[in-house]
Amino acid sequence: DIQMTQSPSSLSASVGDRVTITCRASQNINTYLNWYQQQPGKAPKVLIYAASNLQSGVPSRFSGSGSETDFTLTISSLQPEDFATYYCQQSYSFSRTFGQGTKVEIK
Amino acid sequence: EVQLVESGGGLVQPGGSLRLSCVASGFTFSSYAMHWVRQAPGKGLEWVSSITSSSTYIYYTDSVQGRFTISRDNAKNSLYLQMNSLRAEDTAVYYCTRLVLNDAVNGQYFDYWGQGTLVTVSS
Repeated sequence: DIQMTQSPSSLSASVGDRVTITCRASQNINTYLNWYQQQPGKAPKVLIYAASNLQSGVPSRFSGSGSETDFTLTISSLQPEDFATYYCQQSYSFSRTFGQGTKVEIK
Repeated sequence: EVQLVESGGGLVQPGGSLRLSCVASGFTFSSYAMHWVRQAPGKGLEWVSSITSSSTYIYYTDSVQGRFTISRDNAKNSLYLQMNSLRAEDTAVYYCTRLVLNDAVNGQYFDYWGQGTLVTVSS
C-alpha cells in the first residue's frame, strides 16, 4: 500500500498568516493527489484535486503544488473559517489512502 | 442537488453484524464508482472499500477484507456495506462518497459525501 505522510500534524497560526502543509507519498504517484478540509462534526470537502487544480467554489487563497512524491497545500492568507483539519489523499492506487491529517488551530 | 444519505449504523456487540445503506439522489448513480470511508472517534480518515459503477471491480482495505462486503443496486440508487465479525476497532463514522473522474488532469477525487452514520462496536 502507498503510505501518505503529512507534516506537521498540527500548527497554530493567526488570521492573515500564510500556511503551508506538506504531504509525502511512499512512492511516485504522479499528480494523483487530492486535498480535503474537514470541519469538526462535518464530512470532508475537497479543496484541490490532481495536485494543483482548485475545486469549483473553493476560494483562490487555497493552492496546491507538487508531483511524484512531494506535495504542498498553501493557504495564502488564513481566514477564520479555515481553522480545520486538512488531509491529503492519493488516488494513484485502488487503495485510496489518506494522510494522517494536519489540524490548523488559532494562535 | 446531489445528496448521499447513509443509514444503518448503531451499537453492536463484538462479533456481530450490521448493514449500512447509502441512498443517492440528484445524479445518475449508475455512472459513478462509489466508496466507503470511515473515521474512528478523534482519528483521521480511512478508506474502506470501493465498487465500480457496474460492480465489476471491488476493493477493500486489508483490515476489513473477508469481513465486509460492498454492493450496490443501481435500480434503487443505493450503496451498501455488509459488515460481519465486527471488532472494537471498526467503531467509526462511516461515510459514503462519490468518486469523480477528470481524465484531462489525472483527477480522481471524492466530490460528494454523505453526513455519515456512526457504528459502535462494544459489549
